[in-house]
Amino acid sequence: QLVLTQSPSASASLGASVRLTCTLSSAHSSYAIAWHQQQPETGPRYLMKLNSDGTHNRGDGIPDRFSGSSSGAERYLTISSLQSEDEADYYCQTWGTGVRVFGGGTKLTVL
Amino acid sequence: EVQLLESGGGLVQPGGSLRLSCAASGFTFSSYAMSWVRQAPGKGLEWVSAISGGGGSTYYADSVKGRFTISRDNSKNTLYLQMNSLRAEDTAVYYCAKDGQWLVKGDGFDIWGQGTMVTVSS
Repeated sequence: QLVLTQSPSASASLGASVRLTCTLSSAHSSYAIAWHQQQPETGPRYLMKLNSDGTHNRGDGIPDRFSGSSSGAERYLTISSLQSEDEADYYCQTWGTGVRVFGGGTKLTVL
Repeated sequence: EVQLLESGGGLVQPGGSLRLSCAASGFTFSSYAMSWVRQAPGKGLEWVSAISGGGGSTYYADSVKGRFTISRDNSKNTLYLQMNSLRAEDTAVYYCAKDGQWLVKGDGFDIWGQGTMVTVSS
């Protein structure tokens, strides 16, 4: 079964960097994923598509403070130079034949 | 401007029906699969259903299979979600999202609507 696992919460200081993790089920470790950001009281926004080799394509208007990387079944979203508006929920998403899947989301707090 | 705009949400009694619409603009609508995603109050995102660009193939989450029907009218650049036999647990904000070029292959949802609220309550 295609499953994405995320830690429920993370925190980091203003101006620092943070890395969020999304883990694919072991049988699907080669899958690409997408990262989405959802700020409070708004709809989700696409950040990037992240491939298993770590290459990624950011969405239109997404600053290069947001970057992605991969290692095995893990997919990472790194946010550098944290700003207050980065405080949001972050979801990973993947896809397969017959299904689309979201991780449970990580709530990022900027201290 | 690339845009998705949902409509049709509201308050409905358990067992009732509702049809959501999603108007697309700014991209070649018929060239892409489309998906519906929902978010219950205080919860995470849950994929609901997807449809191919031509409308001939569909996928559903187990939680809605047999009750919801996804469809599209490419002449109107509009996506639909017919929801029947609604339950309290269907209460959520419903978003439409642009999927990949091929339903079978899938892709990241790179365009999202603003969402429409569906409340199922007596």
